[in-house]
Amino acid sequence: DIQMTQSPSTLSASVGDRVTITCRASQSISSWLAWYQQKPGKAPKLLIYKASSLESGVPSRFSGSGSGTEFTLTISSLQPDDFATYYCQQYNIYSVSFGQGTKLEIK
Amino acid sequence: EVQLVESGGGLVQPGGSLRLSCAASGFTFSSYAMSWVRQAPGKGLEWVSVISGSGGSPFYADSVKGRFTFSRDNYRNTLYLQMNSLRAEDTAVYFCAKASSYDTGYFQYWGQGTLVTVSS
Repeated sequence: DIQMTQSPSTLSASVGDRVTITCRASQSISSWLAWYQQKPGKAPKLLIYKASSLESGVPSRFSGSGSGTEFTLTISSLQPDDFATYYCQQYNIYSVSFGQGTKLEIK
Repeated sequence: EVQLVESGGGLVQPGGSLRLSCAASGFTFSSYAMSWVRQAPGKGLEWVSVISGSGGSPFYADSVKGRFTFSRDNYRNTLYLQMNSLRAEDTAVYFCAKASSYDTGYFQYWGQGTLVTVSS
């Protein structure tokens, strides 16, 4: 099974900050990586797929990069609506797996 | 508009069984793999199972293998998750999700989730 490790687990930041979340895979997954945003009591929302493709309707301040085993999600200028939990997910093989999540908190 | 609506959650005793359903609409159901993803209270997302568009050979997380059975009815556009030998650690909100391709992928659409509580 492929293990996904996110860092940090918690991130404190202010509106307007640029933030980066990292996701590492235990083996190469090419670019088969997605990022999701989840708010309490809601289903996850797809932000990025294939490592760097922005989902339709997602603001351009969100961007993804990486390939192989190391990936990043960057938010260029934090907005109040962005404070949430973020998950990466690999879909290289049938048994997909998620990172443990990164909670983005207001500083 | 894609819609996924889960049902069947509730309170069940340890060792008991429950069957979840997910009704899908707004897309060509048989063309896409579907998955169940769960989230224990206050915890992260855990993938449970995936089934291809045809319904053949589901894959399962080790944590549920041998206890859960994932099936689909492509005539009724409905998914089923039969959960047997339930344990306290199976307590979670269960989401069904539409994969991006026929056999696997990322999840563009999710249901609202149904809560399963395993407790005596």
